[in-house]
Amino acid sequence: QQQVKQSPQSLIVQKGGISIINCAYENTAFDYFPWYQQFPGKGPALLIAIRPDVSEKKEGRFTISFNKSAKQFSLHIMDSQPGDSATYFCAASMSVSGGSNYKLTFGKGTLLTVNP
Amino acid sequence: DTGVSQNPRHKITKRGQNVTFRCDPISEHNRLYWYRQTLGQGPEFLTYFQNEAQLEKSRLLSDRFSAERPKGSFSTLEIQRTEQGDSAMYLCASSYFRGTEAFFGQGTRLTVV
Repeated sequence: QQQVKQSPQSLIVQKGGISIINCAYENTAFDYFPWYQQFPGKGPALLIAIRPDVSEKKEGRFTISFNKSAKQFSLHIMDSQPGDSATYFCAASMSVSGGSNYKLTFGKGTLLTVNP
Repeated sequence: DTGVSQNPRHKITKRGQNVTFRCDPISEHNRLYWYRQTLGQGPEFLTYFQNEAQLEKSRLLSDRFSAERPKGSFSTLEIQRTEQGDSAMYLCASSYFRGTEAFFGQGTRLTVV
C-alpha cells in the first residue's frame, strides 16, 4: 500500500516558469510533510517542510501548499532555473511519544527538467 | 566536512557473498536511519537507532540483513548471502532526537552480479 502518492513522474519546464508537483497521503496520523531534492549520485537534501497547522509555507522561490481536508500537499517552484533540475520527493512522517518525528515515508519522486 | 559519511560509495559483489556498509552520522545526532532506494523509487525505511538501541525494523529488513550501532556512534549494515534483488542505493541519515530534519549521506550503491 503506497501511503504517499506523487505526481507527475516527470516534468519539463522552461526557465522562468513555475514547476508544480503534487502529493496525496492516506494516513491522517502524518503530521510532518517535507520535500527533498536529490541530484544524481547524491543523497536527498531537505528543501522545505510544513506541518498541518498552516496551509502555506514559503522559502525563497519554493512554496508548499497544504490542504488538510483533501489530504494533499504540493510544491511550487517559482522562476524555475536550470540548476533546479533534479528529482524531487515528497515525504511524510508522524510524531511519536515525546513529540518527535522519525521515519519518513517517501513518494516515488518527480524528475524535473528546466530547459534554458 | 561534518555531514553524514557513508563508505564505500560503490560496491560490486557476487551473488551469495556478504557485504558490510558503514555510516558515520553527524556527531551528536542521537538518531540514525537506514533507507534503501531502488531506481526510479523514493527511499524506503529499513531501520533506525536511537543512540545504540535499534528501535524499529521494517519488514523489508529480512533476516539476511543486520544493522548495528555500537556505542551510539557509527553504524554498520550487513547483508548476508546477497541476492540480485538487493541491488540498490543504501542511504544513511541522522537527526537529533527532537529534530525533524534528517540529513542524508551520499549513499552506498550496491550491485549484485
